[in-house]
Amino acid sequence: DIQMTQSPSSLSASVGDRVTITCRSSQSISRSLNWYQQKPGRAPKLLIYAASTLQSGVPSRFTGSGSGTDFTLTISSLQPEDFATYYCQQTHNTPPEYTFGQGTKLEIK
Amino acid sequence: QVQLVESGGGVVQPGGSLRLSCAASGFTFSIYGMHWVRQAPDKGLEWVAVISYDGSNIYYTDSVKGRFTISRDKSKNTLFLQMNSLRVEDTAMYYCAKDKVRATVTGWFDPWGQGTLVTVSS
Repeated sequence: DIQMTQSPSSLSASVGDRVTITCRSSQSISRSLNWYQQKPGRAPKLLIYAASTLQSGVPSRFTGSGSGTDFTLTISSLQPEDFATYYCQQTHNTPPEYTFGQGTKLEIK
Repeated sequence: QVQLVESGGGVVQPGGSLRLSCAASGFTFSIYGMHWVRQAPDKGLEWVAVISYDGSNIYYTDSVKGRFTISRDKSKNTLFLQMNSLRVEDTAMYYCAKDKVRATVTGWFDPWGQGTLVTVSS
């Protein structure tokens, strides 16, 4: 089974800050990595798929990068609406496992 | 616009059964794979099951194999999850999600429904 580990688990930052969240897989998953944003009481929303492709409608301040086992989600200039929990997800296996990371809670400093 | 509306959640005793539904609208349901994803209270996300657009391919996470059954009815544009032999650890918000790409299964969940809460407790 592929395990996904995010760091940090929580993060405090200010509006305008540049923030980076890391996701590491227990084995190589090529570029089969997606990022989701979840706000309290809401369903998750797809931000980035295939490691670096921005989902339609997602602001360009969100950037995904990486391949193999190490991936990052970067928010270039935090906006008030970005404070949420972020999850990475691998989609490498067949048959599918679709494992998620444990989440990173981004809070206002 | 694409809309997914789950229903069927509730409180059930351990060993009991529930059937969740997900009513789809705003897209051609019959050409997209569909998923169930769950989230235990204040915990992370766990993928549960997928069914391909035509129902020919079905997969489950190990913890629900033999207990849960995913299915779809294209005439009603509805996705189902039959949950039997429920355990306390199945307590979660259950979301249905559409696969982003038509006629295949990518695991890119877009969009998600609002969820239906399942509580397994004696």
